[in-house]
Amino acid sequence: NAGVTQTPKFRVLKTGQSMTLLCAQDMNHEYMYWYRQDPGMGLRLIHYSVGEGTTAKGEVPDGYNVSRLKKQNFLLGLESAAPSQTSVYFCASTETGGYTGELFFGEGSRLTVL
Amino acid sequence: SQQGEEDPQALSIQEGENATMNCSYKTSINNLQWYRQNSGRGLVHLILIRSNEREKHSGRLRVTLDTSKKSSSLLITASRAADTASYFCATDVIPVSARQLTFGSGTQLTVLP
Repeated sequence: NAGVTQTPKFRVLKTGQSMTLLCAQDMNHEYMYWYRQDPGMGLRLIHYSVGEGTTAKGEVPDGYNVSRLKKQNFLLGLESAAPSQTSVYFCASTETGGYTGELFFGEGSRLTVL
Repeated sequence: SQQGEEDPQALSIQEGENATMNCSYKTSINNLQWYRQNSGRGLVHLILIRSNEREKHSGRLRVTLDTSKKSSSLLITASRAADTASYFCATDVIPVSARQLTFGSGTQLTVLP
């Protein structure tokens, strides 16, 4: 019973490099989210998806792109990494319903940009 | 911008004592949730309270919601060392079509044995 799985767990990049974070969920959830967590700032929403083939911007989308080609996967891409993108990234998912329900989180991906 | 703000930012208590954390938010909500995050781990859902509810219990957790003051509190009774974690409140936004949650900056709770 995996829930939400994020890969990789750790990554170090040089400024200007690109990378993709993968989030996979096995709960058949429609809604998926990418958050970043920085010290003292809680979680901030980067992008989210309300279903396969859909994506939308959150609070801090600049410098990131996302894709949801398959319902179970949500990819977060950094095309040209910057030191300001050093953070811990969390993926989350939730089932559909008439109200916002419980989010299920992955264990996080710690990214350092040098 | 943060919708929810927790208070205090850090709290240190002895095992067996009660811990109370507060959350204030800015705009009307549909529901409010509390999450726990152990160091280096993902967030785990604790409890959800709807806007038409005033109090909710789950084990040693008690959550209250005052929509007139736009505030909520989380009480952990008879705390244990294992309760040491960061606690976040999260609110949805109205309309809820996007099913987004906005998180506060969290309260770091330390329970001393």
